[in-house]
Amino acid sequence: GQQLNQSPQSMFIQEGEDVSMNCTSSSIFNTWLWYKQDPGEGPVLLIALYKAGELTSNGRLTAQFGITRKDSFLNISASIPSDVGIYFCAGQSTGTASKLTFGTGTRLQVTL
Amino acid sequence: DTEVTQTPKHLVMGMTNKKSLKCEQHMGHRAMYWYKQKAKKPPELMFVYSYEKLSINESVPSRFSPECPNSSLLNLHLHALQPEDSALYLCASSQAGTTGWADTQYFGPGTRLTVL
Repeated sequence: GQQLNQSPQSMFIQEGEDVSMNCTSSSIFNTWLWYKQDPGEGPVLLIALYKAGELTSNGRLTAQFGITRKDSFLNISASIPSDVGIYFCAGQSTGTASKLTFGTGTRLQVTL
Repeated sequence: DTEVTQTPKHLVMGMTNKKSLKCEQHMGHRAMYWYKQKAKKPPELMFVYSYEKLSINESVPSRFSPECPNSSLLNLHLHALQPEDSALYLCASSQAGTTGWADTQYFGPGTRLTVL
């Protein structure tokens, strides 16, 4: 099925550094979601964005819904070891019980 | 509380076995989902139930059979699976409000299935 373009695919960073990742799509979405997944676990919702241009924070995480509705970015400030994992963006069209289109994922590894 | 629970956590089965995966949520959500996830890939949607009715089947083989006994429970019955069906199976739920509202999905921890 369709997947969103997510970059970077993986990144090694040092503890304390800021991280940025983004997702782009050829289609318009009405909702953008960012999830984090640890090995062997289910995705955990980090941030949900519901309006074009919206900028939302959750602790050290900040995400924005692009004005064109075709992209979104996620920033993590002052990374810590527990930030390690795979981050997925997901786009959703308007509608109840509707399908999520996932990005390809960004694997984040933090070195001390 | 945004908790979706899944049992079992791990399951090993032979190709002739019949088994079931279970999912439960008590958030009053009226939409529930099954996803399949292979290693290093994003989740792939299999089925969606909305108000206990199957609303989306993503052309899943008939050896996977979903069931929604009530608004809190979702089962996935497995029969005659193949080794390539080994994966992490994720359940999710969402509020399923009026069409046009955002309908955020919350995932369970998954069942790691191995087919021998």
